[in-house]
Amino acid sequence: KAGVTQTPRYLIKTRGQQVTLSCSPISGHRSVSWYQQTPGQGLQFLFEYFSETQRNKGNFPGRFSGRQFSNSRSEMNVSTLELGDSALYLCASSYGTDTQYFGPGTRLTVL
Amino acid sequence: KQEVTQIPAALSVPEGENLVLNCSFTDSAIYNLQWFRQDPGKGLTSLLLIQSSQREQTSGRLNASLDKSSGRSTLYIAASQPGDSATYLCAVLEDYKLSFGAGTTVTVRA
Repeated sequence: KAGVTQTPRYLIKTRGQQVTLSCSPISGHRSVSWYQQTPGQGLQFLFEYFSETQRNKGNFPGRFSGRQFSNSRSEMNVSTLELGDSALYLCASSYGTDTQYFGPGTRLTVL
Repeated sequence: KQEVTQIPAALSVPEGENLVLNCSFTDSAIYNLQWFRQDPGKGLTSLLLIQSSQREQTSGRLNASLDKSSGRSTLYIAASQPGDSATYLCAVLEDYKLSFGAGTTVTVRA
């Protein structure tokens, strides 16, 4: 079974731009979550989707948004990028409340 | 708000020694607890999942315990090897989200 895939793997953007990250879950998994990882804050929860519905959202500004499609693939969008948005963005998928499987992440650098 | 703490922050041991990593959490109303491994610049690899109703899980050289009432979990790695060098993270699941500790960075010296 293929694992969680994330595209692109690396991104360089400038302040003020927007970015869209994509996540394809493991086949059969309907729950997809997003996390931001930085050296200073560690791993922080962004949001979780199940069957196209957002069930929980972390404490991030409205510039961070996401969605899930009918095939369970998910995207997250960050608008008006700030330097502090530079991070590793990780996506995870799961079947219910079972093991969460993480993708390799997207490394975003904001200049 | 759930707070997850991992002690120690870093650990260096000679090859062959057993590793003991600790994790504590403040709110016991969790679905499960998961231990992950992260290599530098990489994603997270799941090691063990303990459901809230379970006390222990084992996989090969790894054994994890969970005491939900006291808000503690311990990961034991037997007979450590240089390939075990990584950052180990524990996380608790509640309300469809994982809350992570800051991790324990392990170095196994050959």
